[in-house]
Amino acid sequence: KAGVTQTPRYLIKTRGQQVTLSCSPISGHRSVSWYQQTPGQGLQFLFEYFSETQRNKGNFPGRFSGRQFSNSRSEMNVSTLELGDSALYLCASSLAGHQETQYFGPGTRLLVL
Amino acid sequence: DQQVKQNSPSLSVQEGRISILNCDYTNSMFDYFLWYKKYPAEGPTFLISISSIKDKNEDGRFTVFLNKSAKHLSLHIVPSQPGDSAVYFCAASGGVSTDKYIFGTGTRLKVLA
Repeated sequence: KAGVTQTPRYLIKTRGQQVTLSCSPISGHRSVSWYQQTPGQGLQFLFEYFSETQRNKGNFPGRFSGRQFSNSRSEMNVSTLELGDSALYLCASSLAGHQETQYFGPGTRLLVL
Repeated sequence: DQQVKQNSPSLSVQEGRISILNCDYTNSMFDYFLWYKKYPAEGPTFLISISSIKDKNEDGRFTVFLNKSAKHLSLHIVPSQPGDSAVYFCAASGGVSTDKYIFGTGTRLKVLA
């Protein structure tokens, strides 16, 4: 079974630009969660989607948004990029979401200059 | 406010000895805890979990202990191997946002050969 895939793996953007990251979950998994990892903050929860609906949202500004498609693939968008958005963005998939083992993708490393 | 804390950013242990990684939490509503291991350039991989109805869970060389009264959990690795060198994250879920995992900031374990 193929694992969680994320594209692109690396991205360089400049301040003010926007970016879209993509995540394809493991086949059959309907829940996709997004996390931001920075050295000082560890892994911080961004949001979770299940069956195309956002079920949970972390404490991030509205510049961070996401969506999920009918095939469970998910995209995350960050608008008006700031230097502090430089991080590793991880997505994780699970069957139903609650208290299930999450399987993480390799992440997209975003650098904002 | 960091609800899940890993106060040791790094730990070095000799091969064959025991590694003990600690995690503290503040939210008494958390009822499910997980440990993840992360190698560089890869996403975190699930290691072991424990529900709040138990105080110990063992899987091979890995044992997780939960002390609910102290709001503390620990991961023991015995014996430690060089391949265990990675960043370890603890995560908790439960309470109001049952589908949301709160992660600690991680502890970098280095097992010396």
